[in-house]
Amino acid sequence: KAGVTQTPRYLIKTRGQQVTLSCSPISGHRSVSWYQQTPGQGLQFLFEYFSETQRNKGNFPGRFSGRQFSNSRSEMNVSTLELGDSALYLCASSLEAVKNIQYFGAGTRLSVL
Amino acid sequence: DAKTTQPPSMDCAEGRAANLPCNHSTISGNEYVYWYRQIHSQGPQYIIHGLKNNETNEMASLIITEDRKSSTLILPHATLRDTAVYYCIVRADGSGNTGKLIFGQGTTLQVKP
Repeated sequence: KAGVTQTPRYLIKTRGQQVTLSCSPISGHRSVSWYQQTPGQGLQFLFEYFSETQRNKGNFPGRFSGRQFSNSRSEMNVSTLELGDSALYLCASSLEAVKNIQYFGAGTRLSVL
Repeated sequence: DAKTTQPPSMDCAEGRAANLPCNHSTISGNEYVYWYRQIHSQGPQYIIHGLKNNETNEMASLIITEDRKSSTLILPHATLRDTAVYYCIVRADGSGNTGKLIFGQGTTLQVKP
């Protein structure tokens, strides 16, 4: 079974631009969560989607948004990029079941110049 | 904020058991203890989780104290490939619970030859 796939793996953008990251969950998984990892703040929860609905949201500005498609694939978008948005963005998927083990992708490394 | 406290770093000799402690004194009755690890620049990897009984799988053992206020992750025969940051997380499980994981700073385990 294929794992969680995130594309692209690396991305370089300039301030003010916007970016879209993609996540394909493990087949059959219906929940997708996004996290941001920086050296200063560590791993922080961005949001979670389940059945195309945002179910939970972390403490991030409105420039960070996401969506989930009917096939459970998810995208996150960051508009008006700032230097501080440089980070590793991680996606995790899980079954909607009693034991919600989350499986993470390898992440997208975003550098904002 | 994370509900767990872990030592920032630990060393272990290759081939020896690595015992990683975690304090979670405010854990609720319906919250599980999860362990993940993150090898440099990769996505976090699920290791094991438990509620109140000790658990063992092919990767590790989890020992939870009777009062559930602390736990220990045991890697029975550490190898160099076990060098990683280990995260202890508490969260409620069950259908309908969101996928949000709250990561602390974790313990950096260095396995030395």
